[in-house]
Amino acid sequence: EVQLVQSGAEVKKPGESLKISCKGSGYSFTSYWIGWVRQMPGKGLEWMGIIYPGDSDTRYSPSFQGQVTISADKSISTAYLQWSSLKASDTAMYYCARLVLRDNSDAFDIWGQGTMVTVSS
Amino acid sequence: DIQMTQSPSSLSASVGDRVTITCRASQSISSYLNWYQQKPGKAPKLLIYAASSLQSGVPSRFSGSGSGTDFTLTISSLQPEDFATYYCQQSYSTLLFTFGPGTKVDIK
Repeated sequence: EVQLVQSGAEVKKPGESLKISCKGSGYSFTSYWIGWVRQMPGKGLEWMGIIYPGDSDTRYSPSFQGQVTISADKSISTAYLQWSSLKASDTAMYYCARLVLRDNSDAFDIWGQGTMVTVSS
Repeated sequence: DIQMTQSPSSLSASVGDRVTITCRASQSISSYLNWYQQKPGKAPKLLIYAASSLQSGVPSRFSGSGSGTDFTLTISSLQPEDFATYYCQQSYSTLLFTFGPGTKVDIK
């Protein structure tokens, strides 16, 4: 079964660092881009950035450039999203998703279950 | 950046109704448009890709159409399990994606 399994919920204080993970299985992890999507409480989906685990080529949304770091360890089929200094406004659900090419249109076909990050003093 | 808008932002409908949701791009995106369904507490699910192609396993009551800047998602006969929020997403810009703000479909 093709799946992405994300790490568990986190509760952090402002200023702390954090790294959450997304582990792929059931397919060739190095052959598909993995994207990250933020969903703030009660709000819509925001695309944050994407990485190609095969060579770690990474792209960011202008809105998130410099705010987060996306990385991957292909040896363990895992992608990461990290913050160096969390803010309360980082409180959200974070999803990873696999990108596939369908009829010349890139789409996110497999999604992780989400990781809830709560930042509060 | 390509901006996406959706209308309406929410709608109330009954089981069996035909429902249409509109998505508009700020510039032409050809057919590089996908639709997702998200139920409360769940991850999004891909419904339609390339504007009109049905993702495997998705019921045929869902259909998509459009090209250029204007797109529609239609549910031909709304079922109880279809009450959810629907998002469009453009993939025209290479590896620079944008989601629409979403349309919530709830029970009348």
